[in-house]
Amino acid sequence: EPEVTQTPSHQVTQMGQEVILRCVPISNHLYFYWYRQILGQKVEFLVSFYNNEISEKSEIFDDQFSVERPDGSNFTLKIRSTKLEDSAMYFCASSGPGRETQYFGPGTRLLVL
Amino acid sequence: AQSVSQHNHHVILSEAASLELGCNYSYGGTVNLFWYVQYPGQHLQLLLKYFSGDPLVKGIKGFEAEFIKSKFSFNLRKPSVQWSDTAEYFCAVNARGGSQGNLIFGKGTKLSVKP
Repeated sequence: EPEVTQTPSHQVTQMGQEVILRCVPISNHLYFYWYRQILGQKVEFLVSFYNNEISEKSEIFDDQFSVERPDGSNFTLKIRSTKLEDSAMYFCASSGPGRETQYFGPGTRLLVL
Repeated sequence: AQSVSQHNHHVILSEAASLELGCNYSYGGTVNLFWYVQYPGQHLQLLLKYFSGDPLVKGIKGFEAEFIKSKFSFNLRKPSVQWSDTAEYFCAVNARGGSQGNLIFGKGTKLSVKP
């Protein structure tokens, strides 16, 4: 069964550094999403992406964040200058043409020191 | 504001006990409803979903959920839990026919099943 994959599984970085989180969505999917979950809190929507552009973003997704689909398979989330409060588990998800069901990757645990 | 509430933070049951996890939502429109499960060390997996039709939906591993529109609820049930059901369960909604489809999640309920 096709799965969403994410790399790395864990990343530790210093405050102010840039990080790029990578995702490979399910191959025939068209809609891509990033969510995050701060420890002990709920999963929160960050951004959705379709047809090579952002279709919606939340208040969390400020100018420090960007997304890109650099080739036909990868979908990346970049945080330009990380803050301590960016420490969280970041989940990528994708959905097919019907956009009805989102399938999630295993997550990247980001720790900002 | 759109929100999802899961009433129980942590539920502890013995094997063979029946399970019901509560989920209520607040959303100004027609919704799709989901339950996701996260087993220890694993990613979020879809357990079941409701889009339309029969409000009682059956998912994998013997789980079912009932959509009660008048109560804005979508409670998850299983008649007899197993140790392997130990996991965290997340209720989520999104707008039906919405242009973006982003999910709004509840805080999750951690289920611990004692063997």
